[in-house]
Amino acid sequence: AQSVTQLDSQVPVFEEAPVELRCNYSSSVSVYLFWYVQYPNQGLQLLLKYLSGSTLVKGINGFEAEFNKSQTSFHLRKPSVHISDTAEYFCAVSVHQGAQKLVFGQGTRLTINP
Amino acid sequence: NAGVMQNPRHLVRRRGQEARLRCSPMKGHSHVYWYRQLPEEGLKFMVYLQKENIIDESGMPKERFSAEFPKEGPSILRIQQVVRGDSAAYFCASSPPRTGVGNTIYFGEGSWLTVV
Repeated sequence: AQSVTQLDSQVPVFEEAPVELRCNYSSSVSVYLFWYVQYPNQGLQLLLKYLSGSTLVKGINGFEAEFNKSQTSFHLRKPSVHISDTAEYFCAVSVHQGAQKLVFGQGTRLTINP
Repeated sequence: NAGVMQNPRHLVRRRGQEARLRCSPMKGHSHVYWYRQLPEEGLKFMVYLQKENIIDESGMPKERFSAEFPKEGPSILRIQQVVRGDSAAYFCASSPPRTGVGNTIYFGEGSWLTVV
């Protein structure tokens, strides 16, 4: 079975500072990796995904993530955050090719302070 | 993701009542997924449906919960005899017919169920 661990439940940072949200996964087979963002009382929006190829993936809103197979990690980064980035961020894995059954981490709440 | 429509957005039920949550997938999508998000937790897969078929219900509680996706109309997640522990956000997602490797699934904005 697959599992996802988001190492930080809350991350407070100051505006314009860099941020890294950590995600580690466990799987005995190849996985596909995703980061989603959830703004308060809203659904999930895809930030970026890793399927294959380059291990550095760029997404929307200036976010990027790096797939590290040896460390089974897929950390999310942004060089300079804005107040509008305040949200919950979820890392997820999928191993099904015929369906998108996602296994989510517990989420990291990113709070941006002015 | 605004294309996946869920209603109601908020639902309050007394213990023992039934809750029905509806989901209309994006246009052209024939695969529907339901996920549940309990307070302070991530989303958990419940069920995957195609038109008139349940493909994977491994995440559904054994009792009181059922889902359908009829040939016509929205997908319905039904919870009978609700209990306080059913209070959660229920998210629907959809994907196109030929779901390939890593294809994006699109989430709705969720239905928040509160059991009092």
